Amino acid sequence: DIEMTQSPSSVSASAGDRVTITCRASQGISTWLAWYQQKPGKAPKVLIYTASTLQSGVPSRFSGSGSGTDFTLSISSLQPEDFATYYCQQTNSFPLTFGGGTKVEMK
Amino acid sequence: EVQLLDSGGGLVQPGGSLRLSCAASGFSFSNYAMSWVRQTPGKRLECVSVIGTSGINTYYTDSVKGRFTISRDNSKNMLYLQMNSLRDEDTAVYHCAKGRGSSISSCHDFWGQGTLVTVSS
Repeated sequence: DIEMTQSPSSVSASAGDRVTITCRASQGISTWLAWYQQKPGKAPKVLIYTASTLQSGVPSRFSGSGSGTDFTLSISSLQPEDFATYYCQQTNSFPLTFGGGTKVEMK
Repeated sequence: EVQLLDSGGGLVQPGGSLRLSCAASGFSFSNYAMSWVRQTPGKRLECVSVIGTSGINTYYTDSVKGRFTISRDNSKNMLYLQMNSLRDEDTAVYHCAKGRGSSISSCHDFWGQGTLVTVSS
């Protein structure tokens, strides 16, 4: 199985800050990576797929990059509605594994 | 508007069975892979099972193989998960999720709100 490791597990930030979350795959996955946002009591929502493609309707302050084993999700200017937990998922091979999540909290 | 309404969860004893259902609307259901993804009490996400557009191609995570069966009825826009021989570790919120495409390895672009399955004596 491909293990997905996210860091940090939590980050404290203020509105307007730039936030970067990393995701590392235990083996190469090309660009088969998705990022999800989950708010308390809600289902996850896809933000980015194939590492850098923004899902329709997602604000342009979100961006993704990387290939192979190392990936990043960046939020250029954190907005109040962005405080949530973020997960990466590899879709290169089964089982389709998720990272452990990164909680973005208000400082 | 894409809508996924999952249902069928509940409290069941170890060894028991449940059948989850997901009613889909707002998209051409038969053209997309569908999945069941669970979230454990510790918030870990796990893709439990995926089914292709025709229902022929399926995938199960190792821990549920032989116990869970995924199926779909394209005429009714319905997705199902039959869960037998349930174990304590199957306790989770189960979400149905739409694939972004027809491939069973697509990421999940829309999710249902989830149905809680609790396995406990």
